[in-house]
Amino acid sequence: RKEVEQDPGPFNVPEGATVAFNCTYSNSASQSFFWYRQDCRKEPKLLMSVYSSGNEDGRFTAQLNRASQYISLLIRDSKLSDSATYLCVGWLSGAGSYQLTFGKGTKLSVIP
Amino acid sequence: NAGVMQNPRHLVRRRGQEARLRCSPMKGHSHVYWYRQLPEEGLKFMVYLQKENIIDESGMPKERFSAEFPKEGPSILRIQQVVRGDSAAYFCASSPQTGNQPQHFGDGTRLSIL
Repeated sequence: RKEVEQDPGPFNVPEGATVAFNCTYSNSASQSFFWYRQDCRKEPKLLMSVYSSGNEDGRFTAQLNRASQYISLLIRDSKLSDSATYLCVGWLSGAGSYQLTFGKGTKLSVIP
Repeated sequence: NAGVMQNPRHLVRRRGQEARLRCSPMKGHSHVYWYRQLPEEGLKFMVYLQKENIIDESGMPKERFSAEFPKEGPSILRIQQVVRGDSAAYFCASSPQTGNQPQHFGDGTRLSIL
């Protein structure tokens, strides 16, 4: 069974706050993971790729813990423009094939 | 703009009609994926295609839905005899190869069934 699970939120945080999302996955043979951002009624946009233990890009840090099968996304110094739904995505294996599997997303609202 | 191109952006059909959704992948990408997203729901994988081949259609409903990616032209997702429950956003994504690569998404087609 291929699954990626996220806390749906919503997370309501003030500007400047640090917020962290966690995501768990079901299959230990998973290859790689991504965080996408989706604004309301828009297409998902790639935020970060997570191929090894982690990745950092400016205010965003993603970490992968293969032993515990979870991925996290940390956003520092939150901006109003960070308000969106954050999708945890993994290439998960099962029944001899890999599929890009999406979590349902975690909704973030950054408040002035 | 060399991104993934989907058209139409919005499509309205009456119950029983056919809907055709088109997707042209990013330049240099040969792998196309279709997803469906219901309101307030996550993205659900439908089908994965390469040129002239369906690689994985495990997410496609067994009836009324079909997809193709011909040698020339865009990928087509076809829904026959549409029903109200088909109303959703349909996203197409492409990648240069499968495995370990992120996918890049088009703007989506919003399908509304009257």
